[in-house]
Amino acid sequence: EDQVTQSPEALRLQEGESSSLNCSYTVSGLRGLFWYRQDPGKGPEFLFTLYSAGEEKEKERLKATLTKKESFLHITAPKPEDSATYLCAVQASPPLVFGKGTRLSVIA
Amino acid sequence: NAGVTQTPKFQVLKTGQSMTLQCAQDMNHEYMSWYRQDPGMGLRLIHYSVGAGITDQGEVPNGYNVSRSTTEDFPLRLLSAAPSQTSVYFCASSYSPTNTEAFFGQGTRLTVV
Repeated sequence: EDQVTQSPEALRLQEGESSSLNCSYTVSGLRGLFWYRQDPGKGPEFLFTLYSAGEEKEKERLKATLTKKESFLHITAPKPEDSATYLCAVQASPPLVFGKGTRLSVIA
Repeated sequence: NAGVTQTPKFQVLKTGQSMTLQCAQDMNHEYMSWYRQDPGMGLRLIHYSVGAGITDQGEVPNGYNVSRSTTEDFPLRLLSAAPSQTSVYFCASSYSPTNTEAFFGQGTRLTVV
């Protein structure tokens, strides 16, 4: 059974304080690992797709990396507008399997 | 483009009532799915469809029906609402079943009393 575990559940950072979110997964035949951002009262919004170990992708202050067992979402010098819940999902067969998310708060 | 549109945004039902949550997309996506999101549980898949006329069950299908008569629409039916179905429901679509990003609607917040 495909499983995704995200840690920590919640993270509170000062503005400018860099950190990383973790997504560990168990899946047979990974076809893709996805990161989404979700703001309160909104649907998830796509950030990145990673396909193979060693792959990295960047977008503004965010960088996602992938190994054979886990993915990290690195946040460099975060700003208050980066506050959101970050969701990780894996895909082997068609349905995406989501983790429970990390709730990030960035304090000015 | 509107993307993925869900209606209604909010709904209160009495136990035993039935209703349909609507989902429409204008991106000509073949793959559509329904999730529910509960505190501490994350997003859980209810049903999905890989194309018109084809549907399949996800992780938590009991109490829900779906059909896919067109590429654009994927309604979710609650047959006899129960308090355990109180949740936020999200519809998503993507170009293909695998390897492509999913676009989500804004969600329907359902309360069953």
